[in-house]
Amino acid sequence: EPEVTQTPSHQVTQMGQEVILRCVPISNHLYFYWYRQILGQKVEFLVSFYNNEISEKSEIFDDQFSVERPDGSNFTLKIRSTKLEDSAMYFCASSVDLGRGEQYFGPGTRLTVT
Amino acid sequence: KQEVTQIPAALSVPEGENLVLNCSFTDSAIYNLQWFRQDPGKGLTSLLLIQSSQREQTSGRLNASLDKSSGRSTLYIAASQPGDSATYLCASGGGFGNEKLTFGTGTRLTIIP
Repeated sequence: EPEVTQTPSHQVTQMGQEVILRCVPISNHLYFYWYRQILGQKVEFLVSFYNNEISEKSEIFDDQFSVERPDGSNFTLKIRSTKLEDSAMYFCASSVDLGRGEQYFGPGTRLTVT
Repeated sequence: KQEVTQIPAALSVPEGENLVLNCSFTDSAIYNLQWFRQDPGKGLTSLLLIQSSQREQTSGRLNASLDKSSGRSTLYIAASQPGDSATYLCASGGGFGNEKLTFGTGTRLTIIP
């Protein structure tokens, strides 16, 4: 069964460093998302991406964040200068289209900023 | 702004019992409602998706219902098993132009053998 994959599973970085989190969505899906979950808190939406551009972003997704689909399979989230409060589990998701709606999530990348 | 609430935050039931998990949302103009399972430290596994035009969906021992007018959804688990122990999350989808999911805080379910 097709699934969303994410790498790495765990990333440790120092405050101020740049990190890139990688995702491979399900191959025939057209809509891509990033969410995050700070330990003990709700899963929060960060950004959605369609047709090579951001379609929606939350107030969390400030200038420190960017997304890219560098090729036909990968979808990346970059955090330019990490802060302690960026420590969270980051989930990538994809859906085949808005009409179907069901979002499939990857296993997540645990980001720890020290 | 959509707010999604799940009560109770935690629930323990003996194995074999049927149980109901609750989800409420403040804005009834949703496009769909999705239920997920999350095991500790793991990702989200989609269980059921109910479109706004539907009243319920079933998958095996799981049945999810949706009542948009009252802003509620329930997840019914029949004949619970220890392997059902996990956190269950509901999330509302806003639809075209607002396709993000808004999540509740989850119900942590423990099935006692």
